[in-house]
Amino acid sequence: AQKVTQAQTEISVVEKEDVTLDCVYETRDTTYYLFWYKQPPSGELVFLIRRNSFDEQNEISGRYSWNFQKSTSSFNFTITASQVVDSAVYFCALSEASNNDMRFGAGTRLTVKP
Amino acid sequence: DAGITQSPRHKVTETGTPVTLRCHQTENHRYMYWYRQDPGHGLRLIHYSYGVKDTDKGEVSDGYSVSRSKTEDFLLTLESATSSQTSVYFCAISELGVPGELFFGEGSRLTVL
Repeated sequence: AQKVTQAQTEISVVEKEDVTLDCVYETRDTTYYLFWYKQPPSGELVFLIRRNSFDEQNEISGRYSWNFQKSTSSFNFTITASQVVDSAVYFCALSEASNNDMRFGAGTRLTVKP
Repeated sequence: DAGITQSPRHKVTETGTPVTLRCHQTENHRYMYWYRQDPGHGLRLIHYSYGVKDTDKGEVSDGYSVSRSKTEDFLLTLESATSSQTSVYFCAISELGVPGELFFGEGSRLTVL
């Protein structure tokens, strides 16, 4: 079965610092999909991005960027110039084409201090 | 925002009692999921449905059953609740299944005493 590891349990930064959240995955499928979700203190889960295994292009969306590297099985998430509103738990997730079980990492709790 | 409603949002119950959580969607999405969230584990899939009356087990299905008699409703039942089932339960929907992102409900916090 697929596996997602987010080794950073908690990260604390000061506003305006850049921060990278790590995600390492394991899968035997050649076709798979990677995701990042955000869970702010209010508790809801918000979809941020999806990447398929055939598209290694990095993506930038405002202050957010994602680096997908198949060679290291990583899908890291960087927030540039962090803000207090970025404080949340961030989850990386993996779906394989061969099954319907989206596997989540344990999450990284990011605290951005003013 | 995706139209997903979970009920109840909070429930406290005693060990051994049956509990049913309801997920209702207004998006007409084919796929529906039940996850539980526990500290240190992220979210883990309990059961999912890929159509009316079509369901399958997820990673942590023991002690849970589901039913989907209508496209819009997906019920999660704990036949005899245990303290280990104290958790936050999230329903999710997806239009595409595996390739697609999940849209989550607001969660249901269940405490089993």
